[in-house]
Amino acid sequence: DAKTTQPPSMDCAEGRAANLPCNHSTISGNEYVYWYRQIHSQGPQYIIHGLKNNETNEMASLIITEDRKSSTLILPHATLRDTAVYYCIVRASYDKVIFGPGTSLSVIP
Amino acid sequence: GAVVSQHPSWVICKSGTSVKIECRSLDFQATTMFWYRQFPKQSLMLMATSNEGSKATYEQGVEKDKFLINHASLTLSTLTVTSAHPEDSSFYICSARPRTSGTDTQYFGPGTRLTVL
Repeated sequence: DAKTTQPPSMDCAEGRAANLPCNHSTISGNEYVYWYRQIHSQGPQYIIHGLKNNETNEMASLIITEDRKSSTLILPHATLRDTAVYYCIVRASYDKVIFGPGTSLSVIP
Repeated sequence: GAVVSQHPSWVICKSGTSVKIECRSLDFQATTMFWYRQFPKQSLMLMATSNEGSKATYEQGVEKDKFLINHASLTLSTLTVTSAHPEDSSFYICSARPRTSGTDTQYFGPGTRLTVL
């Protein structure tokens, strides 16, 4: 059974913030939320991960709801290079990374 | 940091031949490496997990005699597709987990596109 639910596709205007939602209502207390992205014909790229606190790095911000049942990945100023498939993955430490279908984000000029 | 490379980046082979794909962690040691396969317009599917110095663990439905995995060192894992057939044509991606304690983030290679004629 899939641990996460993501919209299949989204559009975002270049320069605007891209907010990608993820539902993980059955997340366990020891499971982290990870985000990866895959640009066409490349390997996945790690973006960010968190347990329960919001996280920010040079690529993105991760907002996790207080009940941890959902999260949002925020790309603050989307560029054309951010067009990719974004995967939200829930896993405990040292578990395998299992990919769902992800969200195909298209950044529009 | 945390760079993973794959070689070759693409390969074309004839049906019935074997193909070896290398996965290297360039700036870290990896106790565990993973192999994925991705068909067009589909997500990545985990094939197997390999730990340095031990036999790989294959996911259900993946033929271990067809997809031979060797993880002989902390920086190198190889996947050999034996007796390749056109249905084995796919994008093969490896990932590696650093040996450093305190992190279990997996880092992915750029992928190898295999075409079997």
